[in-house]
Amino acid sequence: GENVEQHPSTLSVQEGDSAVIKCTYSDSASNYFPWYKQELGKRPQLIIDIRSNVGEKKDQRIAVTLNKTAKHFSLHITETQPEDSAVYFCAASMKGRGGYQKVTFGTGTKLQVIP
Amino acid sequence: GAVVSQHPSWVICKSGTSVKIECRSLDFQATTMFWYRQFPKQSLMLMATSNEGSKATYEQGVEKDKFLINHASLTLSTLTVTSAHPEDSSFYICSPGLAGTSQYFGPGTRLTVT
Repeated sequence: GENVEQHPSTLSVQEGDSAVIKCTYSDSASNYFPWYKQELGKRPQLIIDIRSNVGEKKDQRIAVTLNKTAKHFSLHITETQPEDSAVYFCAASMKGRGGYQKVTFGTGTKLQVIP
Repeated sequence: GAVVSQHPSWVICKSGTSVKIECRSLDFQATTMFWYRQFPKQSLMLMATSNEGSKATYEQGVEKDKFLINHASLTLSTLTVTSAHPEDSSFYICSPGLAGTSQYFGPGTRLTVT
């Protein structure tokens, strides 16, 4: 099955600095890579995603890059703010039977933005 | 986006008792529902996939006789933790298997077994 590794496990940055989280996946059949933000006690929330036919995607302060050859993908958050503090999960997803997307999550990165 | 509800949002039960968690899709029909478990400070781990009208598929290491899954209708899937023990204390989250590429999650159920 798919295996997703995520680094670092914890990350502290000063407010206004950038934060980068990196992930690798093992199964070349994965074709969709979502990123989730999870606040304490809450459900994961999709913040950005990228498909396998795209190398980079940006949404305001958040960007994601994908290197299919190396099976690497990364999340970049610029101009970080205290409200960005949360746990972030990367994930790799592929179509299962019935056409749905089966998701494998990374181990998570706890991001702390220091005011 | 898809609206998914879970009930209860939190539950405390005594060791040896059973607990049922309901997951409802409110504005769509879900043929497939994923059930995840998340221990404190850990990632989401897929436990099982429920399919409407057929038996659930369990991931390796998950006891199917302990975690009973029923998906009797296109809007309701249930997970019953039988003979719960303290090590079953966790955050249980459901997610519909939709044909699109976005994934939505229920709000989760926090189970504490004393």
